[in-house]
Amino acid sequence: DGGITQSPKYLFRKEGQNVTLSCEQNLNHDAMYWYRQDPGQGLRLIYYSQIVNDFQKGDIAEGYSVSREKKESFPLTVTSAQKNPTAFYLCASNRAGRGRETQYFGPGTRLLVL
Amino acid sequence: GENVEQHPSTLSVQEGDSAVIKCTYSDSASNYFPWYKQELGKRPQLIIDIRSNVGEKKDQRIAVTLNKTAKHFSLHITETQPEDSAVYFCHSYSSASKIIFGSGTRLSIRP
Repeated sequence: DGGITQSPKYLFRKEGQNVTLSCEQNLNHDAMYWYRQDPGQGLRLIYYSQIVNDFQKGDIAEGYSVSREKKESFPLTVTSAQKNPTAFYLCASNRAGRGRETQYFGPGTRLLVL
Repeated sequence: GENVEQHPSTLSVQEGDSAVIKCTYSDSASNYFPWYKQELGKRPQLIIDIRSNVGEKKDQRIAVTLNKTAKHFSLHITETQPEDSAVYFCHSYSSASKIIFGSGTRLSIRP
């Protein structure tokens, strides 16, 4: 279970507010990913990064932004443009930059709208 | 486009019976085929994986089989137990190395 951490565990967002979810890994993995999971649903890819200072949009990037300034860190910002942000957010990483290895997931952050 | 189809979406089996979940992928260059288990409220975790140079891999009660010609791989759980109740996911990759997860299978074990 160790190696990839997310904080906070729960996050509350007010109307019109931007919030940032933290993801840190000490596994020396090149690639990092953000997923959104709605209740009873699968994993939808928001953004991914295969190398520092580079990232690509996933399937549902609108209303989200990311940065990858350090290998260990891949924070996700949920902007006010994301009108329905309530979900379980999972960060993951894997060893090979080409993404053809096991994904290790963080414990997740539950985002709720006030 | 490139996708991963996972079936069934829900599966209910009697305790002690077997369960089989199947994923069909489209990228013929895929060479890594994992299965993850997600218990309620927790993170997905790898339970078994297979690479394209083998057709089957087994670990106690779970096994994964691969048919590269037909582009599908399956998870087999034998002698199911209550703790096997969870959601199971597969994934594959697009040609751009973007990960594509299956939609998940909710497995319920009836006592």
